[in-house]
Order: sequence, then C-alpha cells, then structure tokens
Amino acid sequence: QSALTQPASVSGSPGQSITISCTGTSSDVGGYNYVSWYQQHPGKAPKLIICDVNERPSGISNRFSGSKSGNTASLTISGLQAEDEGDYYCSSYTSSSTWVFGGGTKLTVL
Amino acid sequence: QVQLQESGPGLVKPSQTLSLTCTVSGGSISSRDYYWTWIRQPPGKGLEWIGYIYYGGSTYYNPSLKRRITMSVDTSKNQFSLKLNSVTAADTAVYFCARHRRGSMIGLDPWGQGTLITVSS
Repeated sequence: QSALTQPASVSGSPGQSITISCTGTSSDVGGYNYVSWYQQHPGKAPKLIICDVNERPSGISNRFSGSKSGNTASLTISGLQAEDEGDYYCSSYTSSSTWVFGGGTKLTVL
Repeated sequence: QVQLQESGPGLVKPSQTLSLTCTVSGGSISSRDYYWTWIRQPPGKGLEWIGYIYYGGSTYYNPSLKRRITMSVDTSKNQFSLKLNSVTAADTAVYFCARHRRGSMIGLDPWGQGTLITVSS
C-alpha cells in the first residue's frame, strides 16, 4: 500500500488559516469516510485531532476542522497559534482492511 | 483514563527477532470497542502503520511487513505484543502502541510514549 500524499510543509502567521491536503485513491480516502488526522510535536507521540473525516474528539479545539472531496481529504486550522506548530499526519482505512498514513506535513507558524 | 506503555530491548542485532510488549492500564484489552495497534516511525521520518489485533486474536497486518510480523494478545496480563523477525537497519524506529476505536469516532487514541528500537551489530 502506498502512503497518502501530503505537502511536505506549510506555513502561516498567527491568526491566519491554513489547509493541509491528503490525497489518496478510491481504494482508501475516496472509498471510505474513515480519515483521521494527527498532530505531533517533537519527541512526543501523535495526538488524534480529527476522526471520521470531520469529527473532533472530546477536548480538541474547534479551530481544527476536516473535510473530504473525492480522493482528497483536508485539514484546516483557523486562528493559527504558535502552539499549532508541529507535524501533521492523515490516515485512512483501505480496501485491504488495513490503514495507511500520509507522509506528514510540517507546519511552521511564522 | 486508559494508558499504554511500550516495553522492549532497545537494541537488536541484524537478522534477529524484535519483540515488543504494550501494557494497557486503566481499561480492559478485552473491550469489543477497540483494536490494539502498532505504529512505527523511523528517525526523522513519517509514521507507518504496522498492524492491529482484536482481543479475540484476529489480526490485520501491513502487506509490506506481513511476512515478518506476528501479533498476539494476553488478556490475563492486559497486554499485546509484536514480533518482527529478520530485522535490518531499516527497522530502526520509534515503535508506538495505540488503541484504535471501532465503529464510530474511529482513530488512534491514546498512544503510548513510544520506544526507540535500534538495529545494529
């Protein structure tokens, strides 16, 4: 299974909004509403921030939102804050009953 | 709340078998609502899904690792384990265990802190 495609890096200024894309195929992202997003800070374990394409787990800020169109899912962070800086990974269920991650996107808050 | 903790050898020689255990506390591994998952992250690189196991023993593995992996669960100890054989330097990574919710709100939460496994002679 091939990794989902994410941009290597994105950046934004405090208060702005950014969007990270996650592109797969009809056998993963496009075929199921089981896309999740994770935030990872250096030296830490990833943290679940979006599940089921657009659902926020308890305790996650409403500044984080998810969506999907065709084979591409997206994570939007609004009102960018310094603490949002880190790496972001998407993940999707696949037609092989397995899961696959994206390559990761490094978010820099300018 | 549920917590997961990985344990392993730290250093494994090439061609040998890597064995890791994840201990679950604050909740039962026998819950029907969850799969128990292994993920790894090579230094400076992205996440790779290794596979998961259900408390009844059903397993799902990454096709690229399937021939070298065995996962098991010990409900009496509230633990699940990973064995990866014939390791090479490419298997050097931080290995995480995590709980994967089934049904709805599907995702990996929580995660263990991770344990670095180095493959070297």
